[in-house]
Amino acid sequence: EAQVTQNPRYLITVTGKKLTVTCSQNMNHEYMSWYRQDPGLGLRQIYYSMNVEVTDKGDVPEGYKVSRKEKRNFPLILESPSPNQTSLYFCASSARRRSAQYFGPGTRLLVL
Amino acid sequence: AQKVTQAQTEISVVEKEDVTLDCVYETRDTTYYLFWYKQPPSGELVFLIRRNSFDEQNEISGRYSWNFQKSTSSFNFTITASQVVDSAVYFCALSEASQGGSEKLVFGKGTKLTVNP
Repeated sequence: EAQVTQNPRYLITVTGKKLTVTCSQNMNHEYMSWYRQDPGLGLRQIYYSMNVEVTDKGDVPEGYKVSRKEKRNFPLILESPSPNQTSLYFCASSARRRSAQYFGPGTRLLVL
Repeated sequence: AQKVTQAQTEISVVEKEDVTLDCVYETRDTTYYLFWYKQPPSGELVFLIRRNSFDEQNEISGRYSWNFQKSTSSFNFTITASQVVDSAVYFCALSEASQGGSEKLVFGKGTKLTVNP
């Protein structure tokens, strides 16, 4: 089954404790993105990747890092999480530039 | 800078009513792409449609239709004969193509549609 998976789905952590949210797709898609969703703000793009080793900032990259060492994986790293990074995070992938994106199920993060 | 405005925060209708969700966008580019996504109460995000700036034909897919008007920078979404299963948050999004390799995608804040039986 074609899908985008994210782990963990739920995470409670404390300020400053490094964490990684994994994202993996099995569709051989070149393009992948991370978004955060907050009430009243909609979805905002954090980072995107156009291929292995090619990443760029979205609208809200501060406090996040990404890497794309393999085509299928695109982890999101929070090196020193803060409470304002409490949010619902979505990973997405697409086959071609500016085409339909397939989203993962989301990761709900709470930073205390 | 690209921007998407969905002025309707919440809409409530009764089943079988027609409903239109508004989307107004801002861009300086002549080449761009517009999207609609659906987020049902279960939380997943589902792609509905993509339209490029050179294709102004309206599109119909079953009970769903989209009206793209460059003159008013709008890409509105109409659901005909709404059903309870249409209850969801709907997002409009914009990607500017002239940014070279950029895959930046900007979403509106979404419109929450509730269809009551």
